[in-house]
Amino acid sequence: KQEVTQIPAALSVPEGENLVLNCSFTDSAIYNLQWFRQDPGKGLTSLLLIQSSQREQTSGRLNASLDKSSGRSTLYIAASQPGDSATYLCAVRPFGNEKLTFGTGTRLTIIP
Amino acid sequence: GAGVSQSPSNKVTEKGKDVELRCDPISGHTALYWYRQSLGQGLEFLIYFQGNSAPDKSGLPSDRFSAERTGGSVSTLTIQRTQQEDSAVYLCASSLQASGTDTQYFGPGTRLTVL
Repeated sequence: KQEVTQIPAALSVPEGENLVLNCSFTDSAIYNLQWFRQDPGKGLTSLLLIQSSQREQTSGRLNASLDKSSGRSTLYIAASQPGDSATYLCAVRPFGNEKLTFGTGTRLTIIP
Repeated sequence: GAGVSQSPSNKVTEKGKDVELRCDPISGHTALYWYRQSLGQGLEFLIYFQGNSAPDKSGLPSDRFSAERTGGSVSTLTIQRTQQEDSAVYLCASSLQASGTDTQYFGPGTRLTVL
């Protein structure tokens, strides 16, 4: 059974700093990995999707990497802003079915 | 364009009552997913629909849970004889099709509280 872990559960950093969020998964037979953000009381917003054949994806100040063999992904946020404060979730999709398995998330707080 | 919408946004019910939660996917999206997010359990898959194929119900926690998707668009998640452990946020998502390359777009969720 796939297990997805995100450490730390919570993180606070001063505005302007670069930061890295971590995601690890136990079964490397994944089709893709996706990073989402969730704001309080809101649904999930997709940030980046990395196919299993890719090593990284970039969107603006965000960069996600994938090392499938070691079961790890990172989300790098450059020049953090207070608006980046949210819970960040990673999710993996296996081959052969459409069910995402989510990590428990990292709650990020950017301190102005 | 319009995103995924869900109704109601909040639902409070008494234990033992039935509830229906509604999801309107993005127009043209053939795949629709239901997830549940509860404290201590994180976000877990419940069911997904792809076009006219039989739905994958493998994530439904008990036979009190059922879902329908009418006309390939709107979906209703029904919980019969609700229990306190059913309290959670129920999230719906849709994607263009159920393929590994398509992003799932999520609605704002329905917060269900069972008293």
